[in-house]
Amino acid sequence: DADVTQTPRNRITKTGKRIMLECSQTKGHDRMYWYRQDPGLGLRLIYYSFDVKDINKGEISDGYSVSRQAQAKFSLSLESAIPNQTALYFCATSDWDSTDTQYFGPGTRLTVL
Amino acid sequence: AQTVTQSQPEMSVQEAETVTLSCTYDTSENNYYLFWYKQPPSRQMILVIRQEAYKQQNATENRFSVNFQKAAKSFSLKISDSQLGDTAMYFCAFMNRDDKIIFGKGTRLHILP
Repeated sequence: DADVTQTPRNRITKTGKRIMLECSQTKGHDRMYWYRQDPGLGLRLIYYSFDVKDINKGEISDGYSVSRQAQAKFSLSLESAIPNQTALYFCATSDWDSTDTQYFGPGTRLTVL
Repeated sequence: AQTVTQSQPEMSVQEAETVTLSCTYDTSENNYYLFWYKQPPSRQMILVIRQEAYKQQNATENRFSVNFQKAAKSFSLKISDSQLGDTAMYFCAFMNRDDKIIFGKGTRLHILP
């Protein structure tokens, strides 16, 4: 089984809908991250969490919220989806004693119509 | 603010040739990490190689090596004996002391048979 999983892998939704993307990891890492990838822009950090009680905004947090339900789970929510949130979303994890290495999930492709 | 610049949006080389991907970055920090990630059509983010800024020796992983020039803030990736499976998007990335990764916009590499 994959160490970092994301659900769903693909999602099409409509403008104004609430969407939750989920990330789970079995690596036992304490740090988790959500990134967004747009064509020609690379990956940009949305939110990150260094432990269950720690949530931090990244470069592009507007329009998004997150929840760290447990050490192994980190969810990203779009409260009211809009078309420019159409993108590929990645979850990643790292360990406190090896923070230079991040392990990425397979990505979720989200399309907002 | 730290930035990562990849000046080559797209490159093509023949199989078995050597190719170099360019990356420059901007930071005022002295200690940091640099990475090259590969993203094949499967869209999975795969760590290719990493370099610690305080190490002068260039990192090498099999056919992949880097030319790290700290004073010039340059971090290029050399792929020797290129293979069809090397076809992918390649991202240069920088990690600051806050353990957040900043990605470049990527170079799309095509290995031609």
